[in-house]
Amino acid sequence: LAKTTQPISMDSYEGQEVNITCSHNNIATNDYITWYQQFPSQGPRFIIQGYKTKVTNEVASLFIPADRKSSTLSLPRVSLSDTAVYYCLVAQKGYSSASKIIFGSGTRLSIRP
Amino acid sequence: DGGITQSPKYLFRKEGQNVTLSCEQNLNHDAMYWYRQDPGQGLRLIYYSQIVNDFQKGDIAEGYSVSREKKESFPLTVTSAQKNPTAFYLCASYLGTGGSYGYTFGSGTRLTVV
Repeated sequence: LAKTTQPISMDSYEGQEVNITCSHNNIATNDYITWYQQFPSQGPRFIIQGYKTKVTNEVASLFIPADRKSSTLSLPRVSLSDTAVYYCLVAQKGYSSASKIIFGSGTRLSIRP
Repeated sequence: DGGITQSPKYLFRKEGQNVTLSCEQNLNHDAMYWYRQDPGQGLRLIYYSQIVNDFQKGDIAEGYSVSREKKESFPLTVTSAQKNPTAFYLCASYLGTGGSYGYTFGSGTRLTVV
């Protein structure tokens, strides 16, 4: 089970690019990296998932170096509505492993005007 | 629209009372989960179920019970044995196979002991 480490909190300003890094030194060969976003009093929602190199969707980009021991979630031109907690998860696809997924405390991102 | 429905959104419990939180999904997902979240904290796993009529304890199962009689439903009972039940409870489901990209969460139930 790969343990993840991410900053407890980050601050930024509207219009800036925000990068949140997650360390997962003991990631396994079959593990994928998934990021979730949670607003207060709501359930987390899926943002992006990747295995290696770079993945981009309409919301974010995910950068994964060759050794896969870390990953960086990149949010382009953030707005106040991006203020949330961001969780990095590492696990294999397939529900036999999903039960072992640990969310941790996440990174609390605060965006200022 | 497919999704997970949790009810009620807010729930108040008196000391010594059992309460049941509802979780229903129409996503045809096999696995379902219950998490507890305290203010400013991450999610802690209470129980999970990978198939009907089977469930496993998570990290903080004491004082809670679940059932999984139908694929769509995974209710959580907070018993009087749970000494500090005030928290935000989240239900989630997971397809598992077929290229699923992760969990789908409900909107949560906020339980308060009065």
